[in-house]
Amino acid sequence: EAQVTQNPRYLITVTGKKLTVTCSQNMNHEYMSWYRQDPGLGLRQIYYSMNVEVTDKGDVPEGYKVSRKEKRNFPLILESPSPNQTSLYFCASSKQGAGGELFFGEGSRLTVL
Amino acid sequence: AQSVSQHNHHVILSEAASLELGCNYSYGGTVNLFWYVQYPGQHLQLLLKYFSGDPLVKGIKGFEAEFIKSKFSFNLRKPSVQWSDTAEYFCAPISNFGNEKLTFGTGTRLTIIP
Repeated sequence: EAQVTQNPRYLITVTGKKLTVTCSQNMNHEYMSWYRQDPGLGLRQIYYSMNVEVTDKGDVPEGYKVSRKEKRNFPLILESPSPNQTSLYFCASSKQGAGGELFFGEGSRLTVL
Repeated sequence: AQSVSQHNHHVILSEAASLELGCNYSYGGTVNLFWYVQYPGQHLQLLLKYFSGDPLVKGIKGFEAEFIKSKFSFNLRKPSVQWSDTAEYFCAPISNFGNEKLTFGTGTRLTIIP
């Protein structure tokens, strides 16, 4: 089954404790991206990747890092989480870049205390 | 700067009412246009898309959208809504000029009253 898998789905952590949210897709898509969803703000793009070893900033990259060492994986790293990073995070992939249909993961709800 | 605007933040309708959700964008040049839907507790999924050709596109579950280039709009419509259409709807235009920074609208929450 074609899917985008995120882990963990739910996480409560404390300020400053590094964490990684994993994202994996099995559709051989070249394009992957991360979004955060906040009430009243919709979805905002954090980072995206056009292919292996190619990443670029979205609209809200501050406080986040990503890496793309393999085509299927695109982890989101919060080196020193802060409460303003409490949010619902979605990973997505596409065969045709951002202009193609995006396939989303189930979401990861992160709370930073 | 590129932007997308969804004017309706929360829409409440009764079943069988007609629906139109507005989406306006400020991108120049050629764009691809999408509507995504997020049902309660679920991830986003594609509702419909416009790349080129007939400006009236049909999607899943009886939804359609019309691309009006002169108005920079891509409004979503459905003639008769159902309770199961309760969801959040996001418009997402993207320029064809190679900018892969995708911007979603802030979303419209649709509540259908049985």
